[in-house]
Amino acid sequence: QVQLVESGGGVVQPGRSLRLSCAASGFTFNSYDMHWVRQAPGKGLEWVAVISKDGSNKSYADSVKGRFTISRDNSKNTLYLQMNSLRAEDTAVYFCAKDNRDSSSDFWGQGTLVTVSS
Amino acid sequence: SYELTQPPSVSVSPGQTASITCSGDKLGDKYASWYQQKPGRSPVLVIYQDNKRPSGIPERFSGSNSGNTATLTISGTQAMDEADYYCQAWDSRTGVVFGGGTKLTVL
Repeated sequence: QVQLVESGGGVVQPGRSLRLSCAASGFTFNSYDMHWVRQAPGKGLEWVAVISKDGSNKSYADSVKGRFTISRDNSKNTLYLQMNSLRAEDTAVYFCAKDNRDSSSDFWGQGTLVTVSS
Repeated sequence: SYELTQPPSVSVSPGQTASITCSGDKLGDKYASWYQQKPGRSPVLVIYQDNKRPSGIPERFSGSNSGNTATLTISGTQAMDEADYYCQAWDSRTGVVFGGGTKLTVL
């Protein structure tokens, strides 16, 4: 069965960096685009970024463009999100999600909490 | 940037039909998807490509999309359907867009 397991969250000071990972299993990882989606406490879903199956194409939400970088290692079945220059408003649960070949996401991880606070 | 608008809340009696709308400019020209999220849980895809149900999603969930509005319909609503529901679409300029979410209450 499809499993997505995020890790790397925690408490970080404003302006610092953090890298999230998402370990994928149960499907052919290199055949699917992958997304990061976040949810601030008590708020709705916000799309963060998407990466194509071979990693050649990436797209970002305006709110993170220039600060966050999505990447993948298909040899390790792992998705990454490098987050730099973190701000308080980046505080959220970050989910990785598998693309359903139509920009919807048919499987989601359990999420990892990132708290940006001094 | 592209935006999707949902009502903040919808209430329905058990066994009745719940309809949740999602509006956006020419949304009918795009594929709409819907997610269910219960407290403390990850989102679950319940409708994709306007009206398709993933494996394991009950038949009481259906979707439509035309003009500027997509609609999620839950027939014979059950207490277990109480959750937050989010619509989603893809815009060529903005990327993936989510609606603000609708809290469905089953009274």
